[in-house]
Amino acid sequence: NAGVMQNPRHLVRRRGQEARLRCSPMKGHSHVYWYRQLPEEGLKFMVYLQKENIIDESGMPKERFSAEFPKEGPSILRIQQVVRGDSAAYFCASSIQGSQETQYFGPGTRLLVL
Amino acid sequence: KNEVEQSPQNLTAQEGEFITINCSYSVGISALHWLQQHPGGGIVSLFMLSSGKKKHGRLIATINIQEKHSSLHITASHPRDSAVYICAPLSGSARQLTFGSGTQLTVLP
Repeated sequence: NAGVMQNPRHLVRRRGQEARLRCSPMKGHSHVYWYRQLPEEGLKFMVYLQKENIIDESGMPKERFSAEFPKEGPSILRIQQVVRGDSAAYFCASSIQGSQETQYFGPGTRLLVL
Repeated sequence: KNEVEQSPQNLTAQEGEFITINCSYSVGISALHWLQQHPGGGIVSLFMLSSGKKKHGRLIATINIQEKHSSLHITASHPRDSAVYICAPLSGSARQLTFGSGTQLTVLP
C-alpha cells in the first residue's frame, strides 16, 4: 500500500518559468492538502481539496498559484512566473475523509528558483 | 502572539532520558496533530488526538482541551529520535492545520 507520492522530488526553475508539482494521495484517500515550508520557517497551510473541488484555499497566494484535484489523476499545484521567494519545500498530505482525520504526508518537492 | 507556541525550541538529551515537548495554543480546537520531521525533511504524523492521552511505543501524547495545552513525551530516548517535532492544532471552525515552529530534538549516544 504505497504512501503519498510527490514528484518531482526536486525541481529547479528560472525566474518567470512555471512550476508544476504533483501529488498522488494514498489509495482510497479523496482529500488532499498542500503545505509550504519556506527555508528556516515552519509549515504553512496553502490549500485543501477534495476530488474536483477546492474546499479551502485561504492559505494560497491570490496570484500565480493554483491547485486542482481532478477526478482522475494526481493533484497539481501550479506556480506561474516563479520568483526567488517561491523557493521552498512543498508538502502534500492526504486523508480518507475530511480534515478531522489523520493526514499522511508525502516526501515533499523541493523547489529552487534561480 | 503566535497562535501556537512550542517549548523548548531546542532540546539536547542523553540517550535514555525522558523527553517532554510542550504545545500551547490560543484558539479553540477540535483536534491536534503531533508531527515528526526527519533531518532529510520527510514528515510523519505521530498522533492525532482530541482528548486525553494516546500511546504508541515509546511515544505518549496528552491533551487538555480546557487548558489549551498538549504534551509529547518520549520515554527511553534514542539517537534515532533526533528530529523536529511539530504541534499542529486543527481549529474548530477552520478546516486547516496551524503549525507550531517546531522543537529540534537531538539525542546524543
